[in-house]
Order: sequence, then C-alpha cells, then structure tokens
Amino acid sequence: LAKTTQPISMDSYEGQEVNITCSHNNIATNDYITWYQQFPSQGPRFIIQGYKTKVTNEVASLFIPADRKSSTLSLPRVSLSDTAVYYCLKPRGGSYIPTFGRGTSLIVHP
Amino acid sequence: DTGVSQNPRHKITKRGQNVTFRCDPISEHNRLYWYRQTLGQGPEFLTYFQNEAQLEKSRLLSDRFSAERPKGSFSTLEIQRTEQGDSAMYLCASSSSRTASSTEAFFGQGTRLTVV
Repeated sequence: LAKTTQPISMDSYEGQEVNITCSHNNIATNDYITWYQQFPSQGPRFIIQGYKTKVTNEVASLFIPADRKSSTLSLPRVSLSDTAVYYCLKPRGGSYIPTFGRGTSLIVHP
Repeated sequence: DTGVSQNPRHKITKRGQNVTFRCDPISEHNRLYWYRQTLGQGPEFLTYFQNEAQLEKSRLLSDRFSAERPKGSFSTLEIQRTEQGDSAMYLCASSSSRTASSTEAFFGQGTRLTVV
C-alpha cells in the first residue's frame, strides 16, 4: 500500500522558518509529490508539488533529494495564519486519486 | 465561478432519514472525487468519477451510500437511512486528467453532516 510518513504535530513561533519532512520510500519513477494545507472546517488546498530538486512558489518551497525517498516542505517566516494541517501525498499504485494520511498539525504561537 | 462548489454547507438530519449532497466541480475538470473526514483524521476517499463513469469505490462506501455524475458535470452523493456514525464532513474535489502524473486536485468547502 502506497504510504507517506510525516510527523503528527509541530510547534513553531511567528517569524520562524518551518520545515516539514515526509518520507515516501516506494515512490514510482513518474510520480510527483504534492502537498496540501487544510484549515479547520475547510477543504484541503493544494499548495505545491514537485518531482525533484527544488520548487518554490509564493506560499512555500519544496525540496526533493536525488533519491526522491523524502521531501521537505519549507514555510518561510510563518505567521499565526499558517496554523493548519499539512498533508504530503504521492500517487498510490497506478491511481492518481489523492490519498491522505493524518498529516502534520502545525501550530504557530505568537 | 472558479472553484468547486458544494451544497448545502451544513445539514442536520434525524437518524434514519435520507440526505443528498451536491458538488459542482471546476467546469473543465473531468475527474471528480468524494471524501469523508472526521475530526482529527485526514480525508478518507469514498469514490471517484472520470466523466460520468464511476471508476473506483472505497470499501468505506456501504450500500447505503450512492453517488452519481449523470452528465459528467455535477455530482450527487446520497446517504440512505443515516446513522449517527455518518456524521462527518463530506468533501468533493475535482481535477483534470491532463495533470495525470500528480495528485493535484481542488477541493470544495465541504458539507458538514450531523445526524441526531
């Protein structure tokens, strides 16, 4: 069964950089890694995806090493509004149905 | 409209009643997904459509649950004879098969079901 592993929770403070690492040992050659953010009582929101090396957008950066067995979501200078659950996804088998684990609950403190 | 729309946003029903939820995906998206989410858990996959064809159903989807996407556009999820354990957030998402190698999808705000 395709699976990703990430910490259940993390705490940070406003202004700090937060890095959330996800392990995905059995990633297939063509698979992208996708990250979502979810606020309470809202649907998940796609924030970034990557295949290898580094991808950056206005929200976050995603680092994927050469072996692609892990990825790290980096949130620069977090604010209270970044408090959310962050999910790391990869396709499962031959299906590209988004499949979620429990995610990482990030709490940003003042 | 540029997003996935779900209606209603909230539904309170008595145990044993039937409920139906509607999802309007992003117009050019041919893939549509339904999920269920309970407190503290990630969204659990229920079923998936490509155009009007229902291609995959989770074992979570008991025979009281049925989903349709008759013309390949909007979709409905019906729960018959609701039980208290059906109380959850029901999420709909859509994506395009042109993003075939990724799990990028766009989610609606969800329908919060409470069975009393």
